[in-house]
Order: sequence, then C-alpha cells, then structure tokens
Amino acid sequence: EAQVTQNPRYLITVTGKKLTVTCSQNMNHEYMSWYRQDPGLGLRQIYYSMNVEVTDKGDVPEGYKVSRKEKRNFPLILESPSPNQTSLYFCASSNTDHTDTQYFGPGTRLTVL
Amino acid sequence: AQSVAQPEDQVNVAEGNPLTVKCTYSVSGNPYLFWYVQYPNRGLQFLLKYITGDNLVKGSYGFEAEFNKSQTSFHLKKPSALVSDSALYFCAVRDMEDQTGANNLFFGTGTRLTVIP
Repeated sequence: EAQVTQNPRYLITVTGKKLTVTCSQNMNHEYMSWYRQDPGLGLRQIYYSMNVEVTDKGDVPEGYKVSRKEKRNFPLILESPSPNQTSLYFCASSNTDHTDTQYFGPGTRLTVL
Repeated sequence: AQSVAQPEDQVNVAEGNPLTVKCTYSVSGNPYLFWYVQYPNRGLQFLLKYITGDNLVKGSYGFEAEFNKSQTSFHLKKPSALVSDSALYFCAVRDMEDQTGANNLFFGTGTRLTVIP
C-alpha cells in the first residue's frame, strides 16, 4: 500500500530534550515536506526537500532541522524543543511535477512541557 | 506571494442539504488548486485538484469544486451533505510560475464542516 508513515504518533517531552520525528514514504517520491498545524493558522511549511541531500527552509524553520540522506526518509529534528513547538506535525511527499498531489502522513502530536 | 483565504471557520449544514465551503486565492501567475479533508485524528486526505481545462472538477466522496478565475475562487461543493462529511477542510494553492520550490503548497486556515442529522 502506498503510504507516508510517521513515528511516533504522539509524544510528550520536556523543554530542551532533543527529539526526532521520523517520516518515510514508499512511493519513490523526490519531494518531501514537513508542516505544522496550529488552530486558526492552518498548515505552515517548516522544511522541504526536492531530492536526496537537497533541503530548504519553508515559512517557519526556526528551531527545526531536517536531513535527507535517503530518498524514502525525511526526519524532523528538534535539537532543543520549546513549548511553542507544541503542535501537530505532518509529513508529505510527492513527485516534483507541479501538478502532482501531495500525500500526507497520519500526523504526530507533539507536546513540549 | 501566494495565499489562500477560507473566510468561514465553521460551516453548519443539515443532512441532505447542499454544502459549500469557500476558498479564494492569490497568486502571481496561474494557480494549481487543491482541496484536502482531515477527519479527527487522521492525516490530510486529497479530495480534488484543478490543474487546467474544465472549470468544474469532480473528486472523491461526491465532492466537486468550481474554479472561477475572475473571482479568484475555488469553492468546494456537494449536492447532498452526509453526517460523515463532518470534518476539517483545507484549500491549498500552488503558483504555476513559482520556480523557487518544486511542489510547495500554501494552505488556508481550514473550515470545519458540521453536518447536522
């Protein structure tokens, strides 16, 4: 089954404790992206990647890092999480054609205390 | 710059009645337009998209959307609402001429649809 998977689905952590949210897709997509969803703000892009070893900032990159060492994986790293990073995070992937649909993972709900 | 506006945070409709969820957009060039739906505790699911051609686009679950270039709108519609349509709906746009990021989508703030039995 074609899908985007994320782990963990739920995470409660404390300020300053490094964490990684994994994202993996099995559709051989070149493009991958991370979003955060906050009430009243919709989805905002954090980082995106157009292919292996190619990443770029989205609209809200502060406090986040990403890497793209393999085509299928695009982990999101919070080196020192803060409470304002409490949010619902989504990973998405697609081909790089501008007409292509992005497919989303199930989401990761992160709470930083 | 690209942006999307969903002017209604909440839409309530009675089961069996037609529903409309509004979306307007702003892009420099021509738009690619998308609708996604989010059910509780689920990720975003693709409903439909407008790329080119016929202004009326049909998608999943009986939904359709009409692209109106003069009004820069892409409203989502369904002739007869079901209780199971209750969810959060997102409109998104991509500028056809944007060369800075391959497939970056810009999302609206979402509209919560409640279908009342």
